[in-house]
Amino acid sequence: EPEVTQTPSHQVTQMGQEVILRCVPISNHLYFYWYRQILGQKVEFLVSFYNNEISEKSEIFDDQFSVERPDGSNFTLKIRSTKLEDSAMYFCASRGFRHLAGANVLTFGAGSRLTVL
Amino acid sequence: DQQVKQNSPSLSVQEGRISILNCDYTNSMFDYFLWYKKYPAEGPTFLISISSIKDKNEDGRFTVFLNKSAKHLSLHIVPSQPGDSAVYFCAADTGKLIFGQGTTLQVKP
Repeated sequence: EPEVTQTPSHQVTQMGQEVILRCVPISNHLYFYWYRQILGQKVEFLVSFYNNEISEKSEIFDDQFSVERPDGSNFTLKIRSTKLEDSAMYFCASRGFRHLAGANVLTFGAGSRLTVL
Repeated sequence: DQQVKQNSPSLSVQEGRISILNCDYTNSMFDYFLWYKKYPAEGPTFLISISSIKDKNEDGRFTVFLNKSAKHLSLHIVPSQPGDSAVYFCAADTGKLIFGQGTTLQVKP
């Protein structure tokens, strides 16, 4: 079964450092997402991406965050200067075209755990 | 801004019995609702969805009920199995998914 793959599975970084989290979405999917889950809290939407541009972003997704699809297969999330509160599990997700009568079913990766010290 | 709420952080049931997971929402304009299951060290996986124009959708052991007047949905798992032990998230579909806080289900053998 096709899957979304994320690397690294765990990254530890110092506060103020830049971090890039990588995702390989399912190959025929066209909509891409990043979510995060701070330990013990809910899964929160960060950003959605379609047709090489951001289609929606949350309040969390400030100027420190950026996304890119550099080569047609990878989808990356960059945090320019990490803060302690960026420590979380980051999930990438993708989906294909929505059926006329169907929900937006996102397929999630296993996540990248970011620990900021 | 809690548009989707799961008020029970945990639920424990005996194998073979019914598990009922609840979810409340605030926005009556949501088109679809979805349930996801999450095991430790894995991403959420899609379980079942329901359109806002329906009140029930069934898939094997999993049934989702929607009560629009109460803005409430529930996931029933019958019979519950130990392998169902996981965190269950309900989500509202607005083009992106808005998740609840999750309910940890433990099914005891």
